[in-house]
Formats: sequence, C-alpha cells, structure tokens
Amino acid sequence: GENVEQHPSTLSVQEGDSAVIKCTYSDSASNYFPWYKQELGKGPQLIIDIRSNVGEKKDQRIAVTLNKTAKHFSLHITETQPEDSAVYFCAARDSSASKIIFGSGTRLSIRP
Amino acid sequence: IAGITQAPTSQILAAGRRMTLRCTQDMRHNAMYWYRQDLGLGLRLIHYSNTAGTTGKGEVPDGYSVSRANTDDFPLTLASAVPSQTSVYFCASSVVGTSWVNEQFFGPGTRLTVL
Repeated sequence: GENVEQHPSTLSVQEGDSAVIKCTYSDSASNYFPWYKQELGKGPQLIIDIRSNVGEKKDQRIAVTLNKTAKHFSLHITETQPEDSAVYFCAARDSSASKIIFGSGTRLSIRP
Repeated sequence: IAGITQAPTSQILAAGRRMTLRCTQDMRHNAMYWYRQDLGLGLRLIHYSNTAGTTGKGEVPDGYSVSRANTDDFPLTLASAVPSQTSVYFCASSVVGTSWVNEQFFGPGTRLTVL
C-alpha cells in the first residue's frame, strides 16, 4: 500500500517570505496528489491538487510540483500572510483502491 | 443539510462501552471515509467505502467497524472502547472511479475521549 512521508513537521517563516513543504510517496502507480489545509478546530480543506499527467500547477500564491521519477511532490506558498498559519497535509492516492493516504502534517507559522 | 455532518460533536466515554459515531453527506458522493487524528497532526485512515454495500480496511482498522447501507450514511462503531481510541475522528466523502479519485470533503470532526 501507499506510504507518504512529509517534511518538515514544523515551519516558521517571516511574513512575506516563501514556505516550502516536501513529501515523498512509495506507490509508483499513484496518480493523484492533493494538499489540504487545516485550521484550528476544523476539518481539512483542499487547497490544491495535482494529477500525474502534469508536473506543476499554480493557483495564485500556491503552487505544487510533482516529480514522478523521484516520487516526490512539494507545496510552495509565496508572499506568505498571517492567514496562511495552519497545519498542511500532503496526500497521495493508493492505487490498490480508491483511497487517500495522508502525510503526517506540517504546522506552518507566519511571523509578523 | 449542506455537505457533510458528524454527530456527536464531542463525547466522553467510559472504557468498555460501545459507541457509534454518525456521518451523513448530502452530495451523493459514492465514497466515504473515516480518519482519526491524534495530537493535532496525522490523519490515519480507519475504514472506507467506495460504494453503498461495500467497505474496506484502512491503515488502523482494529477495534472499529463500519457499515454502508445507503449512499448518504457511514457510521463508525467502537464495539468496546479503549483509552487509546481517544482522538478526533473525521468523516470525509468524495467521488471516485476505479482508477481515480476527486477531492475529499471533510466533516467538522468528533472529539472522543475514552476514560
């Protein structure tokens, strides 16, 4: 089955700087890689996702890159703002069944 | 109902008691999932269902059971609760095919404490 590893577990950046979170996956047949943001006391919400037929996707200040050969993908947040402070999860589809396996999460803090 | 709902919001339970967490969605999604989240991080899949009438085991299924009698409801049962099942439980739903999945929508969570 799929195994997803996420780094770092905590990240603190100055407001306005960029933040990068990295994940690796084990299932070479995996074809879907979502990123979720979880605010305190709430359920996770999708912020961006990428499928295996593209190498990069961007949505305003958020971008995701995928390297299928190396089996890793990354989340990039530019021009960080206080409201970006949250826990971020990467995830990948387990190709043996239509289920999603999550990484362990990154707690992102934006310093004013 | 709009989206996905869970009940109860929180519960304190004595060890050894039986408990059912409820989850209902009104989006007609074919797939539903149960995750547990410990220490504010790490979502781990307990059980899932890709369509009504079928269920599958996730990463941490022991001590939990599920049923999927219809499209909308996916209850999670703890037959005999233990303190290690203290966690926040999230239900989610999505549209899936045989070789693809779409975005998962999560409920607000149930905070369960087993004493």
